[in-house]
Amino acid sequence: DAMVIQNPRYQVTQFGKPVTLSCSQTLNHNVMYWYQQKSSQAPKLLFHYYDKDFNNEADTPDNFQSRRPNTSFCFLDIRSPGLGDAAMYLCATSRSKADTQYFGPGTRLTVL
Amino acid sequence: QKEVEQNSGPLSVPEGAIASLNCTYSDRGSQSFFWYRQYSGKSPELIMSIYSNGDKEDGRFTAQLNKASQYVSLLIRDSQPSDSATYLCAVYPGTYKYIFGTGTRLKVLA
Repeated sequence: DAMVIQNPRYQVTQFGKPVTLSCSQTLNHNVMYWYQQKSSQAPKLLFHYYDKDFNNEADTPDNFQSRRPNTSFCFLDIRSPGLGDAAMYLCATSRSKADTQYFGPGTRLTVL
Repeated sequence: QKEVEQNSGPLSVPEGAIASLNCTYSDRGSQSFFWYRQYSGKSPELIMSIYSNGDKEDGRFTAQLNKASQYVSLLIRDSQPSDSATYLCAVYPGTYKYIFGTGTRLKVLA
């Protein structure tokens, strides 16, 4: 089945220790998104790629970076995680910006 | 500021009843509308998409869109305890990203 895969599903890191979260897709979608979701809140868009065109939300902290080396993979790097970065990180893909977004299972990040 | 508003709930309904979830949006030019179901600790799962005024049915789910009144609703017939989840409304206003509501928590009581 075509799908969106995220690894790891759970990530524990220490304050200030860099982490990388990965997302891969077999849907061959052009657009990939990274969201941050905290408890009882709406998903908050951090970045999106339209093909190789990178778009950063204005309020995404500089601490967060992203890479998309090819159509199938996208990475979220958190350079110096703080306690406030503990959240669920969701990757989503869509065929175009107006189309349905399909979410991966998410990575739950804990910062100690 | 484009906004999507949902009642946070919880909305409690007895098993077998109809659950009605509502969502209003501020951008009159919005083009696409989506309902996602999110179980606690899981990622959002698409339930329905709707693009034009009227009703769209898929099994026990019916989405209703009224662009003049700027609302979209989701009806769940014959509600089951397994339907207990948070339901997120998402609106695509024609820019580049969805605007999500904060979700309505539904509890179906057995």
